[in-house]
Amino acid sequence: AQSVTQPDIHITVSEGASLELRCNYSYGATPYLFWYVQSPGQGLQLLLKYFSGDTLVQGIKGFEAEFKRSQSSFNLRKPSVHWSDAAEYFCAVGGILTNAGKSTFGDGTTLTVKP
Amino acid sequence: GAGVSQSPRYKVTKRGQDVALRCDPISGHVSLYWYRQALGQGPEFLTYFNYEAQQDKSGLPNDRFSAERPEGSISTLTIQRTEQRDSAMYRCASSLGSHNEQFFGPGTRLTVL
Repeated sequence: AQSVTQPDIHITVSEGASLELRCNYSYGATPYLFWYVQSPGQGLQLLLKYFSGDTLVQGIKGFEAEFKRSQSSFNLRKPSVHWSDAAEYFCAVGGILTNAGKSTFGDGTTLTVKP
Repeated sequence: GAGVSQSPRYKVTKRGQDVALRCDPISGHVSLYWYRQALGQGPEFLTYFNYEAQQDKSGLPNDRFSAERPEGSISTLTIQRTEQRDSAMYRCASSLGSHNEQFFGPGTRLTVL
């Protein structure tokens, strides 16, 4: 069964500081991996995705993530956080061959940005 | 419309009543997904369709939950004999295909009293 763990429930960073949100997954084959952001009262918006190829993936809003197969991780990073980045972030895993279409989400990390 | 829409946005119902939640996907999107999100948790997969065919319903919690997409476009998630534990945000998403990026709607907040 596929699963996603986001170890940090809540993270606080100062504006302008760097950010790393952790994501570990469990999946029996090569996965599709996603990061979504959810602002209060909004739907989920895709930040970036990994399907294959280069393990360092660039996304929107200056975010990037690195797929590390040996560590079963897909951590999200941003070099300099803006106040508008305060939101909840979800990592998700989906299947390529099996379970295609069935994405499993982590429980999310809430990001607070201090001025 | 430009994005996925869901209606109603908020639904308050009494225990034992049936509710129908509607999802209108992005035009041309083949795949449509339903998720349930409890407070403080990530979305939990319920079911998904390619065109009008239900491909996977393994996430539906029990037989009170059903979904349909009869013409391959709009979908309805129906919960019969609602219970308080059904209270959650119900989210719909659509994609060009089952291996493509999913676009999420704003969700329907269901409260069962």
